[in-house]
Amino acid sequence: AQKITQTQPGMFVQEKEAVTLDCTYDTSDPSYGLFWYKQPSSGEMIFLIYQGSYDQQNATEGRYSLNFQKARKSANLVISASQLGDSAMYFCAMRGINFGNEKLTFGTGTRLTIIP
Amino acid sequence: DTGVSQDPRHKITKRGQNVTFRCDPISEHNRLYWYRQTLGQGPEFLTYFQNEAQLEKSRLLSDRFSAERPKGSFSTLEIQRTEQGDSAMYLCASSLMTGGFSYNEQFFGPGTRLTVL
Repeated sequence: AQKITQTQPGMFVQEKEAVTLDCTYDTSDPSYGLFWYKQPSSGEMIFLIYQGSYDQQNATEGRYSLNFQKARKSANLVISASQLGDSAMYFCAMRGINFGNEKLTFGTGTRLTIIP
Repeated sequence: DTGVSQDPRHKITKRGQNVTFRCDPISEHNRLYWYRQTLGQGPEFLTYFQNEAQLEKSRLLSDRFSAERPKGSFSTLEIQRTEQGDSAMYLCASSLMTGGFSYNEQFFGPGTRLTVL
């Protein structure tokens, strides 16, 4: 079984500051993938970034980076230079990568509010 | 727009009625997933398809729920004899599975918000 824990229900951050959203996970799968999704008030889940358990380097996508610490089973999302449009719910998720094991398991999310 | 689409976006029904939702995935995607998201929670997996074959169903999917993907394209999720506890956002996602290994992220639709009165 897989489990995702997000311990920050809500965060308030000043515009243009960097923010770190915490995520820890637990799994017995030897190989897995970690994801971050953004969910604005409209409801659609928007893919942000992916990290494979076998990747040696931390993933980056524009202003998003994933701080992956495998031994600690953590996959924190870092948003640099936050913008007002970053205000949303953020979900950490994971899944296996082998055939038949790709359903996503999500955490409970963190509501991020960017303050002008 | 070639993303995942869902219809309807909102549905209000009375307890005991049947409802059906539709999902149209990205055209070349062979995997289609259904998730349910209740207020204040992350999405929870319900079921998924590889083309027209339903490969897995969650224990959350009671006998009142049925999903189909008849020609490997669009999918429908039907809830019979709805209960107030079925009120949630129903999300559909699709992805492309190639070979035996899947990196590809799941692309989500806008969801169908169901309210059972």
